Amino acid sequence: GENVEQHPSTLSVQEGDSAVIKCTYSDSASNYFPWYKQELGKRPQLIIDIRSNVGEKKDQRIAVTLNKTAKHFSLHITETQPEDSAVYFCAASRGDSSYKLIFGSGTRLLVRP
Amino acid sequence: ETGVTQSPTHLIKTRGQQVTLRCSSQSGHNTVSWYQQALGQGPQFIFQYYREEENGRGNFPPRFSGLQFPNYSSELNVNALELDDSALYLCASSSPYLAGGYTGELFFGEGSRLTVL
Repeated sequence: GENVEQHPSTLSVQEGDSAVIKCTYSDSASNYFPWYKQELGKRPQLIIDIRSNVGEKKDQRIAVTLNKTAKHFSLHITETQPEDSAVYFCAASRGDSSYKLIFGSGTRLLVRP
Repeated sequence: ETGVTQSPTHLIKTRGQQVTLRCSSQSGHNTVSWYQQALGQGPQFIFQYYREEENGRGNFPPRFSGLQFPNYSSELNVNALELDDSALYLCASSSPYLAGGYTGELFFGEGSRLTVL
């Protein structure tokens, strides 16, 4: 069935370092890949997304790369700051009329001051 | 622009009881999805409503049911509650389809935290 695996489950970095989170998906029909940030007790919020017709997308300190052949995509955060500390979820969708997202299990990122 | 609002924010039920959770979608959004997020896990898709009809369902039993109203608000009903139903229930609304495709972005509410004792 459809599945998204996410690694690592926890990640601790020093402020200013980079953080990389990786996801692998199983459904080859997936073509929409969003990343959500969820702070404790808060709603998931979209931070960046990418579609299958693009290999990389950047938004300031955040970038996402997609390798459709290998069925994996990654989130890169550069120059991390303490406020980046949160749980990050990757997700995959077929991008059709259904908004069904298959989420990964999440990565708890801790940025140490 | 009004965001997605959910009620109640917290509730406690006992096994076997029934619960109704409510969601008001973001202004202009006509599609509502419901997700279950167990502690320490990613959200899992329950179902989606578009134009008052169920339009996609995840791997949840029939005791999970829903409604969408003409104003696009929605309800999630769970019958015969089980301990494993304890979770954060998230509602998300989506932008209308655009010509040639859809935007894809989901806007989540803050969720309803259900505890089943």
